[in-house]
Amino acid sequence: QQQVKQSPQSLIVQKGGISIINCAYENTAFDYFPWYQQFPGKGPALLIAIRPDVSEKKEGRFTISFNKSAKQFSLHIMDSQPGDSATYFCAASMRVGGTSYGKLTFGQGTILTVHP
Amino acid sequence: NAGVMQNPRHLVRRRGQEARLRCSPMKGHSHVYWYRQLPEEGLKFMVYLQKENIIDESGMPKERFSAEFPKEGPSILRIQQVVRGDSAAYFCASSPRQGRFSAGANVLTFGAGSRLTVL
Repeated sequence: QQQVKQSPQSLIVQKGGISIINCAYENTAFDYFPWYQQFPGKGPALLIAIRPDVSEKKEGRFTISFNKSAKQFSLHIMDSQPGDSATYFCAASMRVGGTSYGKLTFGQGTILTVHP
Repeated sequence: NAGVMQNPRHLVRRRGQEARLRCSPMKGHSHVYWYRQLPEEGLKFMVYLQKENIIDESGMPKERFSAEFPKEGPSILRIQQVVRGDSAAYFCASSPRQGRFSAGANVLTFGAGSRLTVL
């Protein structure tokens, strides 16, 4: 019930195309859903995040779509660029004992390759 | 702003030795987290610490692993009597606060990681 399932494992997109990565969760207590971007040899960096009271959040070329009833959320990268080639992780967290902190449950990751 | 600093970046140990990984959080951050990333897998939460306190260690293996965040100095993740299965990337992250409705409490800044190889 603590799992976050991410798909696909890998994704190849042409420059200018749309990259879509999906995540699903079971635990309805999750109340914060971030996406992290990780380049080889680096730590994950926060890309964008959403809370379940909204269905969509957009920041530049990156959009999170959130479907509370289906317990699914997805990352859309518009106009994908070669520099977007990285591993993307979805994650989720919940309050513990009424307190919010950074205990994240991560998905397995998606390796995105954007061809020029 | 130097960000979250981790050292060493790479560490090689033989089975049975001890590994010590260090983490200095971002300036102004007093909450530290350790995560482990096994090859081809996502990150797994290990432990959450504040200065001189372990808040949540539910992800720490029961034996051989310990963590501390002293009043002065970096946070340290210690692995005693390492085995090959401990080979992984260990990431430290920090955040500025926690709270009941505290915005940013779960916004983590990660370091570049320490990659442990056990021979």
